[in-house]
Amino acid sequence: DQQVKQNSPSLSVQEGRISILNCDYTNSMFDYFLWYKKYPAEGPTFLISISSIKDKNEDGRFTVFLNKSAKHLSLHIVPSQPGDSAVYFCAAINMEYGNKLVFGAGTILRVKS
Amino acid sequence: EPEVTQTPSHQVTQMGQEVILRCVPISNHLYFYWYRQILGQKVEFLVSFYNNEISEKSEIFDDQFSVERPDGSNFTLKIRSTKLEDSAMYFCASNTGTANEKLFFGSGTQLSVL
Repeated sequence: DQQVKQNSPSLSVQEGRISILNCDYTNSMFDYFLWYKKYPAEGPTFLISISSIKDKNEDGRFTVFLNKSAKHLSLHIVPSQPGDSAVYFCAAINMEYGNKLVFGAGTILRVKS
Repeated sequence: EPEVTQTPSHQVTQMGQEVILRCVPISNHLYFYWYRQILGQKVEFLVSFYNNEISEKSEIFDDQFSVERPDGSNFTLKIRSTKLEDSAMYFCASNTGTANEKLFFGSGTQLSVL
């Protein structure tokens, strides 16, 4: 079951530059998408979300873009900071079937100072 | 900020033994969840719980698994007879259940089955 895919297992970015994390999905019934960040020995922490009726949502340094026709979303972090180094999970919900999150495999982001 | 707490942080058990993983969800939350992450794999949904009953479960959540809310604060996951493949990080999560609301996750219990 690969409904949510994060094809890049890791990404390395220089401090101050943009980080772009990508996510693809196959289930067109997903209507809400979320990004979670996870540090070692901690649980996932909510970062930002987007409804399927929008194509962009911005919160400070974090922006999520949704391209429904391509079934693709991305998370942009500008400027990247060393504290952003973590595992980033893309997740999706089909609200008709409740609050169950379907997660991608995660992308390890390393921000180098 | 209120948080979901999980105990223990690490649990080591012998294959075939029963384990109980404990969680205290955020106090005003109504929906409770268990997820797990096997090392190197994605975070997987196990079960959701609302109004003292299971609202949804995955195919992973077979007869060996059960959940319970024994009192007004705790939410537990029991594995009756653990298998080697149950070794994973188990995350508890909760929310109020409002549409599109984010989940709040605990820091997880690392279960190692020997």
